[in-house]
Amino acid sequence: DQQVKQNSPSLSVQEGRISILNCDYTNSMFDYFLWYKKYPAEGPTFLISISSIKDKNEDGRFTVFLNKSAKHLSLHIVPSQPGDSAVYFCAASVPLYNQGGKLIFGQGTELSVKP
Amino acid sequence: GAVVSQHPSWVICKSGTSVKIECRSLDFQATTMFWYRQFPKQSLMLMATSNEGSKATYEQGVEKDKFLINHASLTLSTLTVTSAHPEDSSFYICSARDKSYGYTFGSGTRLTVV
Repeated sequence: DQQVKQNSPSLSVQEGRISILNCDYTNSMFDYFLWYKKYPAEGPTFLISISSIKDKNEDGRFTVFLNKSAKHLSLHIVPSQPGDSAVYFCAASVPLYNQGGKLIFGQGTELSVKP
Repeated sequence: GAVVSQHPSWVICKSGTSVKIECRSLDFQATTMFWYRQFPKQSLMLMATSNEGSKATYEQGVEKDKFLINHASLTLSTLTVTSAHPEDSSFYICSARDKSYGYTFGSGTRLTVV
């Protein structure tokens, strides 16, 4: 049972334009949602997170939107840069009191930003 | 910031042998550590959750006797792949959770069983 889903395996965007990465989830108990950037054979790098009680969080070029009723979140990157090219993972955390606060990851979306 | 050191970064072993992977939190005490594995172009799949001084909690389908996890201190967790086989070849990543820093990931270990 895939609790966190990223339905787009890849996304190609022109430099300077907006990149929008999407993520859906099924478990209403998730308390935080996080986005990570990852390169092959490396650990994930944290980008931005959002609490389940918020609907938007912004950090520089990165903004995460959360729609709880639709169980959907998205990561916006504006403007996109070639250095943003990587695999992006959406993750959701279970509350600490429940199963130790583990993180569940989506399948990832490979972003390619063309110069 | 928080740093998690994972060693080795890559290892090749013969089928039937055991391999130990270490995960250390360098500047904070990790109350909980998580172990993931990732196959090429796939998601990070949670294998188990370990809490210092207690037994690890394994995810469904993960063999606890094959993937031994020890979390003997607040700064060290180890994953031992016992009697490794080629199908165990994968990328293993640890993560430490702390109340202040949230989740911090190690750099991963590429295991190849020949």
